[in-house]
Amino acid sequence: DAGVTQSPTHLIKTRGQQVTLRCSPKSGHDTVSWYQQALGQGPQFIFQYYEEEERQRGNFPDRFSGHQFPNYSSELNVNALLLGDSALYLCASSRGGTGRADTQYFGPGTRLTVL
Amino acid sequence: AQKVTQAQTEISVVEKEDVTLDCVYETRDTTYYLFWYKQPPSGELVFLIRRNSFDEQNEISGRYSWNFQKSTSSFNFTITASQVVDSAVYFCALSEVGSNSGYALNFGKGTSLLVTP
Repeated sequence: DAGVTQSPTHLIKTRGQQVTLRCSPKSGHDTVSWYQQALGQGPQFIFQYYEEEERQRGNFPDRFSGHQFPNYSSELNVNALLLGDSALYLCASSRGGTGRADTQYFGPGTRLTVL
Repeated sequence: AQKVTQAQTEISVVEKEDVTLDCVYETRDTTYYLFWYKQPPSGELVFLIRRNSFDEQNEISGRYSWNFQKSTSSFNFTITASQVVDSAVYFCALSEVGSNSGYALNFGKGTSLLVTP
């Protein structure tokens, strides 16, 4: 039973560039959430996708956008990268149709470095 | 305002000692869920426990136990007879089931636990 997978593992970009991160949910899960974790901090919620729509969004600018595909996989896009976007980006999956506060299972993350 | 406070930034213990990680939360919702996750150096968050606000029973799973007290808004985590493999950062998280929420996990800043032989 495959867990949550994310790609790529590491990524180095320069300021102003755009980046796309990918996530495949755990088998049987239909909901994907994205979190940003700065060094030494707890993860911060970016947004959640369910039924291919953004269901809830955290306090992140519009430069952060996402998409969910019919197979439940998801992408996180960040435009006009800033140095402060350097972080570990974590994807989590859950079963969205069973109600709120479902347990979220996390992937290994993508480490983004912006130079 | 920080909804989840983990006041202990770092804890260092010797193997076989018991250790308690504190978590204090803040919410106005009557229905909410509390979680603990473990983050080893590899970076992946590992789910440990989920507890809803109506269930104050303490839970034990092997060497792990959790004490949930609504009166003090705390959800503390104890590791009995700690082992080197317990070394990790531990996060407490809150999910509030309100009118337009209930999907996001609000994490504390984490407690880094180091268990030495």
